Amino acid sequence: DTGVSQNPRHKITKRGQNVTFRCDPISEHNRLYWYRQTLGQGPEFLTYFQNEAQLEKSRLLSDRFSAERPKGSFSTLEIQRTEQGDSAMYLCASSPGTGGYTEAFFGQGTRLTVV
Amino acid sequence: SQQGEEDPQALSIQEGENATMNCSYKTSINNLQWYRQNSGRGLVHLILIRSNEREKHSGRLRVTLDTSKKSSSLLITASRAADTASYFCATWYSGGGADGLTFGKGTHLIIQP
Repeated sequence: DTGVSQNPRHKITKRGQNVTFRCDPISEHNRLYWYRQTLGQGPEFLTYFQNEAQLEKSRLLSDRFSAERPKGSFSTLEIQRTEQGDSAMYLCASSPGTGGYTEAFFGQGTRLTVV
Repeated sequence: SQQGEEDPQALSIQEGENATMNCSYKTSINNLQWYRQNSGRGLVHLILIRSNEREKHSGRLRVTLDTSKKSSSLLITASRAADTASYFCATWYSGGGADGLTFGKGTHLIIQP
């Protein structure tokens, strides 16, 4: 296992289409996080999972966004009816343990462009 | 919302010089972490300092934490061209928080050869 893997690396979609991204965390990590990052900004928290349970979801997250982590392994992030404002880098991270407060290991991200 | 704020937003220095960047945060923390991000890539964890620690070293990196001022600094000594990147501080709220590990906007560091 070489780290957190995200697919695809790049996605171009037309406005109004649905997109789905996948994240494979480091295998022994219980926690998985999704972040969104726009140019010149830091990563913005979207949601995180403890095993298969979605524990937190950002108040800023639109209802068009949904995330799952079936069986506590890989996770998917779906954006429905994409808008141009959804164009960003979507980052996934994982961390060990259940208590939080540890370092997070990031994937390379999926860059979404909505045209 | 973004908990931390880095300063300066951008920094350009000559190779071999030291680079210092600062981070201020708003609420009580369990720990503070620094990450590096090369252009268009994911973030790489550099160093974690706990709230009961005041200074920590890792190779050419030195991090300080002043909880009374709610601030931290990252010093990179003897900078190299490969240090060119964006640097972010990140914090966990002491109570876990609904925002997960929260990042600032970052300092963009350019090392001139």
